[in-house]
Amino acid sequence: EDKVVQSPLSLVVHEGDTVTLNCSYEVTNFRSLLWYKQEKKAPTFLFMLTSSGIEKKSGRLSSILDKKELFSILNITATQTGDSAIYLCADLTQGGSEKLVFGKGTKLTVNP
Amino acid sequence: GAGVSQSPRYKVAKRGQDVALRCDPISGHVSLFWYQQALGQGPEFLTYFQNEAQLDKSGLPSDRFFAERPEGSVSTLKIQRTQQEDSAVYLCASSSTGNEKLFFGSGTQLSVL
Repeated sequence: EDKVVQSPLSLVVHEGDTVTLNCSYEVTNFRSLLWYKQEKKAPTFLFMLTSSGIEKKSGRLSSILDKKELFSILNITATQTGDSAIYLCADLTQGGSEKLVFGKGTKLTVNP
Repeated sequence: GAGVSQSPRYKVAKRGQDVALRCDPISGHVSLFWYQQALGQGPEFLTYFQNEAQLDKSGLPSDRFFAERPEGSVSTLKIQRTQQEDSAVYLCASSSTGNEKLFFGSGTQLSVL
């Protein structure tokens, strides 16, 4: 059964700090790895990673995938209080099923 | 609509009651998913529809859980004879093409007393 493990489970930083969130996965027939930001209830899409070594970037957020070592990282530079949220990592496998398997998430708190 | 809409936002049920949770996906979205999120956990897959066809229901935890999408748009998740362990946030998500850029609703928080 597919497994996605995120670390740390929670993190408290000050505004302006840079953070790195980790996601490791054990899956058969890997297809993609996705990152979501969850504030309150609705997760919102951040990145989808399919190829190893290619960094995806959106503003202060960036993410990269290592398919050999089976992990991904999400970086946030110059953090702001609005970055406080739960960050979820999920994998999508090949083979017909469209279901995402999520990790437990990392709860990030950015203090002013 | 502008986004995925779920109702009710909160539902309190007595153990043994039946509940029905509604999801209005983004107009034109073919794929619709239901996930269950317990406190402190990531969302867990329940079921997946493509139009009106339920293609995967492997995540439904028991035969008390039933989902339908009869006209390929609005979906209802029904839970019969609710138990305390059913307490969770139920998230609905839709997309135009499989799992790329899945749009989630704000969920229904179900509390079973």
